[in-house]
Amino acid sequence: GAGVSQSPSNKVTEKGKDVELRCDPISGHTALYWYRQSLGQGLEFLIYFQGNSAPDKSGLPSDRFSAERTGGSVSTLTIQRTQQEDSAVYLCASSPLGGTPNYGYTFGSGTRLTVV
Amino acid sequence: TQLLEQSPQFLSIQEGENLTVYCNSSSVFSSLQWYRQEPGEGPVLLVTVVTGGEVKKLKRLTFQFGDARKDSSLHITAAQPGDTGLYLCAGGRQGGSEKLVFGKGTKLTVNP
Repeated sequence: GAGVSQSPSNKVTEKGKDVELRCDPISGHTALYWYRQSLGQGLEFLIYFQGNSAPDKSGLPSDRFSAERTGGSVSTLTIQRTQQEDSAVYLCASSPLGGTPNYGYTFGSGTRLTVV
Repeated sequence: TQLLEQSPQFLSIQEGENLTVYCNSSSVFSSLQWYRQEPGEGPVLLVTVVTGGEVKKLKRLTFQFGDARKDSSLHITAAQPGDTGLYLCAGGRQGGSEKLVFGKGTKLTVNP
């Protein structure tokens, strides 16, 4: 597609349930990033995929969070046993090459997750 | 630790006024990017600056990267209601990971 596509756009889930968030990056972009944006906070880095390299998982807040990227394209962020503090907007971005911070990111519109 | 500090956090001005938003750090960045985000949307890249002292202009927006590559500013001339949004700066670390570090943003409201 022309842009980064995220689904669902909104998700309301009960505390303790698992959720899956999907990101479809721009075709040909080798770098894919997940960030989390909470009210009043900046964008918090979660995880970064670059080609076939091992992902940088240093931003994942707990072992309840995991992500995978299949075939170098679509990525899924999974949150297990959701907690209320997981409520936030989850943003996915892709970039043409990675390997340098000089390339801008193209962001999706995000998934707004609400845990009740 | 917040590596990038943005100020002011909130700014409400009248149409036609000028404004400057600041992004400061004690760390050196190899690049500095500015994004604008509207409600319900992801951030959209406005500009990337990579050279200390660099100035870039985008219509009524002027971006500057500090000489020491630790800070940046965004100046808007004759602001319009369409400029309303959340302005985010993001830094790329020299020799570090490829991920960007984001500031908390400046929420700008331009009133007609």
